[in-house]
Amino acid sequence: EPEVTQTPSHQVTQMGQEVILRCVPISNHLYFYWYRQILGQKVEFLVSFYNNEISEKSEIFDDQFSVERPDGSNFTLKIRSTKLEDSAMYFCASGRPGAGATYEQYFGPGTRLTVT
Amino acid sequence: AQSVTQLGSHVSVSEGALVLLRCNYSSSVPPYLFWYVQYPNQGLQLLLKYTSAATLVKGINDFEAEFKKSETSFHLTKPSAHMSDAAEYFCAVSPSGANSKLTFGKGITLSVRP
Repeated sequence: EPEVTQTPSHQVTQMGQEVILRCVPISNHLYFYWYRQILGQKVEFLVSFYNNEISEKSEIFDDQFSVERPDGSNFTLKIRSTKLEDSAMYFCASGRPGAGATYEQYFGPGTRLTVT
Repeated sequence: AQSVTQLGSHVSVSEGALVLLRCNYSSSVPPYLFWYVQYPNQGLQLLLKYTSAATLVKGINDFEAEFKKSETSFHLTKPSAHMSDAAEYFCAVSPSGANSKLTFGKGITLSVRP
């Protein structure tokens, strides 16, 4: 069964460094998302991406964050200058329109980002 | 705007007992509602969804949920708990419409006692 994959599973970085979190969505999906979950808190929406542009973003998704779909398979989240409060589990998700799969978002296993 | 409330952070049941995990939502538009499960060290897996069709929704692993508009609830139930059901469960809401963002509740950890 197709699944969303994410790399790395765990990333440790120093404050102020740039990180890129990578995701490979399910191949025929058209909508892509990033969510994050700070330890002990809710899963929060960051951004959605469709047709090579951001379709919606939350107030968390400030200028330090960017997303890209550099080729036909990868979807990346970049944090330009990490802060301690960026430490969280980051989930990628993908979805596609269609009678069978509409409204479902398929989630990857997450990348745990630790900023020291 | 949408929001979800999951009261309590931990539910413990005996194996074979009824599982009831509560979810109440707030939405200014007709909502779509979801339950996701997260097993340790894994991603979020969809259990079931409500998208304005039948109000009683059946999902995987014998879970079901009932959409009650008058109570703004979407509680998750399972008649008989199994040890493998131990996990974290998240209720989520989105505005009706394909592929809108999900707003999650804080999650409930389900423990199953032998």
